[in-house]
Order: sequence, then structure tokens, then C-alpha cells
Amino acid sequence: QKEVEQNSGPLSVPEGAIASLNCTYSDRGSQSFFWYRQYSGKSPELIMSIYSNGDKEDGRFTAQLNKASQYVSLLIRDSQPSDSATYLCAVGSSNTGKLIFGQGTTLQVKP
Amino acid sequence: DGGITQSPKYLFRKEGQNVTLSCEQNLNHDAMYWYRQDPGQGLRLIYYSQIVNDFQKGDIAEGYSVSREKKESFPLTVTSAQKNPTAFYLCASSKRTVEYTEAFFGQGTRLTVV
Repeated sequence: QKEVEQNSGPLSVPEGAIASLNCTYSDRGSQSFFWYRQYSGKSPELIMSIYSNGDKEDGRFTAQLNKASQYVSLLIRDSQPSDSATYLCAVGSSNTGKLIFGQGTTLQVKP
Repeated sequence: DGGITQSPKYLFRKEGQNVTLSCEQNLNHDAMYWYRQDPGQGLRLIYYSQIVNDFQKGDIAEGYSVSREKKESFPLTVTSAQKNPTAFYLCASSKRTVEYTEAFFGQGTRLTVV
């Protein structure tokens, strides 16, 4: 079992729709969860961090965390063509010091 | 400006040669990481360091070596023992606290071995 798993996609949504990206993790000792956006040929850019169960909203982005189910998700409202990128889920553990990434989900927003 | 600088951006080397990738940060971050990314893949952890003069192997450390003699610097050497070194290499850093804080990336080094 991979430590952090994502559906590689591609996930295709029409412009203006809600995109839903999902991630599961295996280490129950994980404490911190991040979503990064990566455009082709570029380095990852942090867009959301979440540490507690529940929802965290920042503009058009909402991160959701359920530690009991070992599940974290990212919702993108009013999706724009500029949101087309690969979204990477990352899980951090202060016990091990590791920051582990999933394989990423490719999002395509069609005009 | 504060940030993470990786150099060079592109690097070409002949098979069998060792090569060192540079990573410098002026964010006063404690932790630093090296990842490898292959086309269409996620990031795989090579080495990480939480404090000066200490580092740990990640998931794919074979064929790589690192040092952490200064807080600001975490160079990665790709040795001739690495069987398929052509990849995009990413360095990141984060502040080390009780909670795991956000990591920020440099612009990456694209290594091609011919």
C-alpha cells in the first residue's frame, strides 16, 4: 500500500464547475496535510494546508480532513481554465520528519 | 528576497560521472528535503534533514548522497551508482515546529545523463 494515494486522473470539469480531488494516507500518526499545485515543467506551489478535522476555506479552495477515515480532499469552486494543473497531496509527520507526496491528480478545466 | 535557490536549472552529464546539485535557502528553515520527479509521476523522497549535521534516507536514497554542514545549504550528489539519474530534482525547506509546517520548493534542476 502506498503511503499517500491519489487518483491520477485526468479529472475533467467544465469551466465554472466544482472540482473535487481526493487523497488517502496510510500513516495514522500523520499530523499535517497539504495540497500543492504544479504546472507542467514547474515546481510545486503550496495552495492549502490543514491540520485539524473539518473544513478549511481559502477563496475558491476548500480543504477537508477526516483523520478517522485517513482521507483528505480539495474542492475548487468556480473552476477556471487556469486551474488546469496537477494537484499533489502531501502528508507530514513530525514523528518521522518525512513529508510524503502522492502521485498527483491531473485536472483539466474546459472552457 | 527570501527563498530557495537551486542551481543549475539544467544540467547535462555523461554516464558514469558524479554530479552535485546545489540547494540554498535564506528562510531560516530548519528542515530541508530532496525529491525526484519522473515524467507523469509524483515526488519521491530521496533524503531529508531536520537539523544541521543530521540527515535521513528517504524512500529512494540508493545512488545518492547529501551533506548538511550549514543550515542554509543541502547539496545532493548523484553518483554513478544511480542507475537511471535522468529526472527533475526538487529541493524544499520548512520550518521545524511541533506541528509539521508548510514546505516551499526551489525552481528545480532538470538533470539529463547521456
